[in-house]
Amino acid sequence: DAGITQSPRHKVTETGTPVTLRCHQTENHRYMYWYRQDPGHGLRLIHYSYGVKDTDKGEVSDGYSVSRSKTEDFLLTLESATSSQTSVYFCAISEAGSNTGELFFGEGSRLTVL
Amino acid sequence: QKEVEQNSGPLSVPEGAIASLNCTYSDRGSQSFFWYRQYSGKSPELIMSIYSNGDKEDGRFTAQLNKASQYVSLLIRDSQPSDSATYLCAVNGNSGGSNYKLTFGKGTLLTMNP
Repeated sequence: DAGITQSPRHKVTETGTPVTLRCHQTENHRYMYWYRQDPGHGLRLIHYSYGVKDTDKGEVSDGYSVSRSKTEDFLLTLESATSSQTSVYFCAISEAGSNTGELFFGEGSRLTVL
Repeated sequence: QKEVEQNSGPLSVPEGAIASLNCTYSDRGSQSFFWYRQYSGKSPELIMSIYSNGDKEDGRFTAQLNKASQYVSLLIRDSQPSDSATYLCAVNGNSGGSNYKLTFGKGTLLTMNP
């Protein structure tokens, strides 16, 4: 199994509080991604990174920011959590080259915003 | 807006039968196509990738791609209880900057009849 660790795995927070989710990989893969998964919507890309300090927005990036200061770590921050951000968040990694669509996913972080 | 469409199911098949899962996509320039399996409460895992028209077989799984019809399918032969899961179709974008961003369908739930 790919070495991807997400933390925390479960979190309950209140509206308006900041939240940071961490993704750590031991595979030295270039690309890292944050997805959210919601019933009726499937997996949607929030942000992704194609290298250290190189990040870009996905399709549902509003209200989220990311940082990647090291190859192995990709942080997702909710500056001021809202109930609409209650979801399961998955980090994924992939190698560079023609197989960049072959993603390896972390175990997920379930976030509840009250 | 790139779209990937799947029948949400549930698709119920008898054990030992062939399960056929279908997916259509809107971006005619898409280059790479993937099937992920997701058990309830778990993270998605890659089971098949296909990059050119035709069939690709891996054990009991066969992926089929028809770019002219913008259609990709997954066949599962000799269906087993362990195949009960949600199957996600995913498509990569064109080259030139978006080929490492996957768009996922909402998934098809597959269940086995004993």
